[in-house]
Amino acid sequence: QKEVEQDPGPLSVPEGAIVSLNCTYSNSAFQYFMWYRQYSRKGPELLMYTYSSGNKEDGRFTAQVDKSSKYISLFIRDSQPSDSATYLCAMVTGNQFYFGTGTSLTVIP
Amino acid sequence: DVKVTQSSRYLVKRTGEKVFLECVQDMDHENMFWYRQDPGLGLRLIYFSYDVKMKEKGDIPEGYSVSREKKERFSLILESASTNQTSMYLCASSPPIGNTIYFGEGSWLTVV
Repeated sequence: QKEVEQDPGPLSVPEGAIVSLNCTYSNSAFQYFMWYRQYSRKGPELLMYTYSSGNKEDGRFTAQVDKSSKYISLFIRDSQPSDSATYLCAMVTGNQFYFGTGTSLTVIP
Repeated sequence: DVKVTQSSRYLVKRTGEKVFLECVQDMDHENMFWYRQDPGLGLRLIYFSYDVKMKEKGDIPEGYSVSREKKERFSLILESASTNQTSMYLCASSPPIGNTIYFGEGSWLTVV
């Protein structure tokens, strides 16, 4: 079993839709949880990171962590064509980072 | 903002050549990493370093070596490039608390 599981998609939504991206994990020792956005042929760009269970909001993005279920989510409100990218989740314990394989998102104008 | 700079964005090398990929970070981070990213396989750790002159093997170190002579600089070396090393290479750094990791723009290497 992989440490981090992420549905690869692809996911296609109309502009303005709410997008939900999810990852599950198996290691209860993970301490920090991150979401990255990666445009084609570019490096991953950090969107948000959280430490505890609950929600963290930044503009149109909300990161949610449920440690009891070992489940994290990223919600994108009012999605825009510029949100079209691959989204990766990541987790860390003791300087060891674990990544999902990424979900490809396309927002259709 | 954290800046991780990879000096070469696109390279084409011949089989058997020695290849150097350079990376510099400007946030005084102790931890630096080299990953390769391939479709369907995600990010795979090649090597990492927790301090100057220190290195640790990651999941796929075969065919690679690294050098960290200065805190801000971490180099990846392909001793004898092979076609199966054609990939995107990502350098990254993280602070000692390890609460997140920052990536460079990536180096696209094609070995012919």
